[in-house]
Amino acid sequence: SQTIHQWPATLVQPVGSPLSLECTVEGTSNPNLYWYRQAAGRGLQLLFYSVGIGQISSEVPQNLSASRPQDRQFILSSKKLLLSDSGFYLCACLTSGETQYFGPGTRLLVL
Amino acid sequence: TQLLEQSPQFLSIQEGENLTVYCNSSSVFSSLQWYRQEPGEGPVLLVTVVTGGEVKKLKRLTFQFGDARKDSSLHITAAQPGDTGLYLCAGGGTSYGKLTFGQGTILTVHP
Repeated sequence: SQTIHQWPATLVQPVGSPLSLECTVEGTSNPNLYWYRQAAGRGLQLLFYSVGIGQISSEVPQNLSASRPQDRQFILSSKKLLLSDSGFYLCACLTSGETQYFGPGTRLLVL
Repeated sequence: TQLLEQSPQFLSIQEGENLTVYCNSSSVFSSLQWYRQEPGEGPVLLVTVVTGGEVKKLKRLTFQFGDARKDSSLHITAAQPGDTGLYLCAGGGTSYGKLTFGQGTILTVHP
């Protein structure tokens, strides 16, 4: 079964600073990968998904971008953080069927 | 756009009580996932149901997928404080393995 790693676990960044969150997957190959943001411990908003290396689809216009430089690596970035970028960021993986498995998440606080 | 309405949003009960959480939609889903999430952690998969009318049991938890695959319920018997958390339903069947999430139910079980 797959294991999903995310780091850092927690990040406090000033407004206007850059961002890089990393997600790596073990135990599978050629997964679909997803970035979600969760506000106030409620529903998940899909930000980006990727079906392969270098293939990124954005679900909502925003201040963030994503990249997939390797099969099992998914990166969420920003050049200049906004206060509204604060939240809990989750990476998820789909290997077969329709069930996604989630990483432990990164809590981002922009001050 | 597919929507999943999850209810109730909040549930506060005493240990030993029974409860049911509902997810409803006007859209048909090919599968329905239920997740449980604790604060500061990623959602953990509880069950996936794929057949209309399907019932799955996981110890004190009973999951049902509606006959028309538009709705699902989660029933917990004799709730325990360890059941406290955020419960999320998610419908599958859209392109690229994307899921449609409900807004979540925050369950608090008091000893």
